[in-house]
Amino acid sequence: AQKVTQAQTEISVVEKEDVTLDCVYETRDTTYYLFWYKQPPSGELVFLIRRNSFDEQNEISGRYSWNFQKSTSSFNFTITASQVVDSAVYFCALSEDSGAGSYQLTFGKGTKLSVIP
Amino acid sequence: DAGVIQSPRHEVTEMGQEVTLRCKPISGHDYLFWYRQTMMRGLELLIYFNNNVPIDDSGMPEDRFSAKMPNASFSTLKIQPSEPRDSAVYFCASSSRGLGNQPQHFGDGTRLSIL
Repeated sequence: AQKVTQAQTEISVVEKEDVTLDCVYETRDTTYYLFWYKQPPSGELVFLIRRNSFDEQNEISGRYSWNFQKSTSSFNFTITASQVVDSAVYFCALSEDSGAGSYQLTFGKGTKLSVIP
Repeated sequence: DAGVIQSPRHEVTEMGQEVTLRCKPISGHDYLFWYRQTMMRGLELLIYFNNNVPIDDSGMPEDRFSAKMPNASFSTLKIQPSEPRDSAVYFCASSSRGLGNQPQHFGDGTRLSIL
């Protein structure tokens, strides 16, 4: 069974600090996909990034960066120079083939990030 | 382009009543998903459709829940009869080309309160 663990339930940082959100996953598949979603206080879920299991190259998008390491089954998310608008709950998710072409998407419990001005 | 549209945004009703949640996916997306979010259980996939056909409904909690997709642009999630423990935020999402390798785009959710 697939599993996603976000060990940090809540994190508080002061504006302009860097912060890393951890995500550890478990899967038996060799082909799988990892996602990060952001849920701001308004409640909607916003897609941030998707990675497939064959692409371990780290990615940077503005102040956001992602570190994918298959050796440790981790897909960590770093926000550089955090801003108040980054305050949200961040979800890591894993998708793998559950058989017969059907995929299951499993979300972690989320990490609530509070950026204090 | 319009995103995934859900209605209503909020629903408050009494226990035992029928509740119908509605979703319009992004045009051209072949996959539609229903999720439930609660503090206790987080985000759970309830059911998903491909080309209007239900593919996996193993996440539907019990027979009181049913979902339909009569056409490519509309889906409903129905709870009958509703119970207080059904109170949650229900999200609809859509994607193209499958659950595995394409991101899902979520609606704003329906916040359901059963009294």
